[in-house]
Amino acid sequence: ILNVEQSPQSLHVQEGDSTNFTCSFPSSNFYALHWYRWETAKSPEALFVMTLNGDEKKKGRISATLNTKEGYSYLYIKGSQPEDSATYLCALPSFNKFYFGSGTKLNVKP
Amino acid sequence: GAGVSQSPSNKVTEKGKDVELRCDPISGHTALYWYRQSLGQGLEFLIYFQGNSAPDKSGLPSDRFSAERTGGSVSTLTIQRTQQEDSAVYLCASSLAQGVSFTDTQYFGPGTRLTVL
Repeated sequence: ILNVEQSPQSLHVQEGDSTNFTCSFPSSNFYALHWYRWETAKSPEALFVMTLNGDEKKKGRISATLNTKEGYSYLYIKGSQPEDSATYLCALPSFNKFYFGSGTKLNVKP
Repeated sequence: GAGVSQSPSNKVTEKGKDVELRCDPISGHTALYWYRQSLGQGLEFLIYFQGNSAPDKSGLPSDRFSAERTGGSVSTLTIQRTQQEDSAVYLCASSLAQGVSFTDTQYFGPGTRLTVL
């Protein structure tokens, strides 16, 4: 079993604020890390797949970094908008299974 | 193009009955994944297919659960003798994954909400 932890559990920010959250994982046997956004009543949507230490990925106002040596990834949202409200999940594969964190629920107030 | 589809979207069943959930992956995607989210819980991995083969079935919660995939396309997840704790949203995803790879983007279906009374 792979222990994947996400923090904080929930976050309330005002429109325009920038925010970030963390995904922590065991640094040994790292293979890849996936970030997903899951809006209420919709399917999870893939944001990034990260594989290399030092990876930085960007998609619009959302970016992510990866540190495999210390076992964490950060997801940043610049200038949050109400449509960014969702649960953000990270997941790691290990031995033919995927292990998900419990997610960070982001609520952006207009 | 068409995304991942799942059927039924909702299923209400009585305890002890068998149910079958279906997933149609994106055409050409060789990898297919089943997950579930129980109320108040995180996303739980159930099983993964590469083509028609599932390398590891140990993620299935009990021997009442089985899954198969035929023709490298459609997959069915069968739950026998359903119990109330099986109530959950069951999600399917697919990815291109030409080889054994977990680095491909997964595309999720809309899910099947299963309620066991």
